[in-house]
Amino acid sequence: DVKVTQSSRYLVKRTGEKVFLECVQDMDHENMFWYRQDPGLGLRLIYFSYDVKMKEKGDIPEGYSVSREKKERFSLILESASTNQTSMYLCAGKPGTLNSPLHFGNGTRLTVT
Amino acid sequence: AQSVTQLGSHVSVSEGALVLLRCNYSSSVPPYLFWYVQYPNQGLQLLLKYTSAATLVKGINGFEAEFKKSETSFHLTKPSAHMSDAAEYFCAVAHGSNYQLIWGAGTKLIIKP
Repeated sequence: DVKVTQSSRYLVKRTGEKVFLECVQDMDHENMFWYRQDPGLGLRLIYFSYDVKMKEKGDIPEGYSVSREKKERFSLILESASTNQTSMYLCAGKPGTLNSPLHFGNGTRLTVT
Repeated sequence: AQSVTQLGSHVSVSEGALVLLRCNYSSSVPPYLFWYVQYPNQGLQLLLKYTSAATLVKGINGFEAEFKKSETSFHLTKPSAHMSDAAEYFCAVAHGSNYQLIWGAGTKLIIKP
């Protein structure tokens, strides 16, 4: 069965901290995505990666960076966390064909105080 | 720009009643369409997808959706709602050469006993 694992379900961090959100997939998918989900705003794409060391900005990349050193792992980095980055973060993987669905992890609920 | 519209941020139905969740898309080319479901505190999981093989698509948990090109719609239905169907439902479209999905804002389905 397909599996996308996010390292933390809940995180509480302080303003100004550097935060790492980790995501691992076991499906050998080329594409990986980081989304942010907020009430009333749906899913917004932060970054995605279509290959190792390759990344593309999504709709809301400001304040975030990503790293993909290995195919199975895609990390989201908040360089200096702020309270407006309190949100649910969802990682997903997808094969390299357009009609293939995304497979999501269970999400990380991040609170920045 | 491509877009996906889900009519109604909240839909409330009685247990045993018909469920109808609406999704309209704008696309100049035939799209690939998806419905995802998100249960509380979980990631999204695929409910069903349309990839042009058949206009009526059956998914998990008794849900189905019909692709109507003339109406640019892909509404989700279930004949008889169950309490366990209470969740948020997202419609999404993929098309062109972009690996990204375009997401609707989501519809929260509330089931009344």
